[in-house]
Amino acid sequence: GENVEQHPSTLSVQEGDSAVIKCTYSDSASNYFPWYKQELGKGPQLIIDIRSNVGEKKDQRIAVTLNKTAKHFSLHITETQPEDSAVYFCAASSAGANSKLTFGKGITLSVRP
Amino acid sequence: KAGVTQTPRYLIKTRGQQVTLSCSPISGHRSVSWYQQTPGQGLQFLFEYFSETQRNKGNFPGRFSGRQFSNSRSEMNVSTLELGDSALYLCASSSDSSFYGYTFGSGTRLTVV
Repeated sequence: GENVEQHPSTLSVQEGDSAVIKCTYSDSASNYFPWYKQELGKGPQLIIDIRSNVGEKKDQRIAVTLNKTAKHFSLHITETQPEDSAVYFCAASSAGANSKLTFGKGITLSVRP
Repeated sequence: KAGVTQTPRYLIKTRGQQVTLSCSPISGHRSVSWYQQTPGQGLQFLFEYFSETQRNKGNFPGRFSGRQFSNSRSEMNVSTLELGDSALYLCASSSDSSFYGYTFGSGTRLTVV
């Protein structure tokens, strides 16, 4: 089955700096890669996603890049703010009736004011 | 529109007891999935229901079961609770068989003592 690895497990940046979180996946059939943000006491919230036919996608201060050859994808957050502090999960899935959405173990991002 | 609603938010049970958790998906969503979240293991997939049928299942013992009703609301049951079942249980819903627009609830925090 799919295996998604996320690294580093923790990341601390200064407010205003950029943060990059990387994930690798194992199943070359995976074609959908969402990113979720989880704040304390809440469920994960979808912040951006990318499909395998696209190499990059941006939404204001966040962007996701996908390298299908290397089987890795990354979340980029620019001009970080304290409210960006949270746990971020990457995930991967393939198409098909029996597909699952496999999550990485999450990274805790801390933005220092 | 209303999000995914999970009840109760918090639950304390004794070893050996059983528990039932409830999830009401976003209106119109027919797929409901359940996840167990623990600090060490991240988000572990339990099972998915689509139109009242279990379509996918993770690697959990038979003590974990679920069902979905005709209005798409879902319940999961854990019998013979063990201390290791203490976790945040999340459900997520989507409108179809894909993971696009996958939306999580805030979860039920289960503590087994």
